[in-house]
Amino acid sequence: EAQVTQNPRYLITVTGKKLTVTCSQNMNHEYMSWYRQDPGLGLRQIYYSMNVEVTDKGDVPEGYKVSRKEKRNFPLILESPSPNQTSLYFCASSTRVGDSNQPQHFGDGTRLSIL
Amino acid sequence: AQKVTQAQTEISVVEKEDVTLDCVYETRDTTYYLFWYKQPPSGELVFLIRRNSFDEQNEISGRYSWNFQKSTSSFNFTITASQVVDSAVYFCALSSGGYQKVTFGTGTKLQVIP
Repeated sequence: EAQVTQNPRYLITVTGKKLTVTCSQNMNHEYMSWYRQDPGLGLRQIYYSMNVEVTDKGDVPEGYKVSRKEKRNFPLILESPSPNQTSLYFCASSTRVGDSNQPQHFGDGTRLSIL
Repeated sequence: AQKVTQAQTEISVVEKEDVTLDCVYETRDTTYYLFWYKQPPSGELVFLIRRNSFDEQNEISGRYSWNFQKSTSSFNFTITASQVVDSAVYFCALSSGGYQKVTFGTGTKLQVIP
């Protein structure tokens, strides 16, 4: 089954404790992206990756890091989480955004609470 | 820079009514893609439609239809004969400038009352 898998689905942690949200896709997609969803703000893009070792900032990259060492994985790293990073996070993948008939496939979301 | 505006924050309709969700976008690019996604109460994001900037034909899929008008930079979504299962948050999104960045609107929450 084609899917984007995020882990964990839920996490409550404390300020300053480094955490990683993993994202894995099994569709051999080149493009992967991270979004955060906040009430009244919709989804905002954090980082995206066009292919292995190619990453770039989205609209709200501050406080986040990503890496793309393998095509299937695109982890989101919060080196020193702060309460303003409490949010619902989505990972997505596609062959190329807008370049084929395939839309972005989204994971089920990760709800992070930073206390 | 690109921008998507969904001015309707929340809409309530009675079942079987038609409802239109508005989406207005801004981009300097001549080539771009527009999307609609549905987010039901369970939280997942469901792709509904993709439209490229060169295709202004309206599209109908069952009870759903989309009206793309470049002249007004709008990509509106109409649900005909709404049903309770249509209750969800609907997002419009835009990808331009090489398709790498994707900008979402703030979403419209639709509540269909039985």
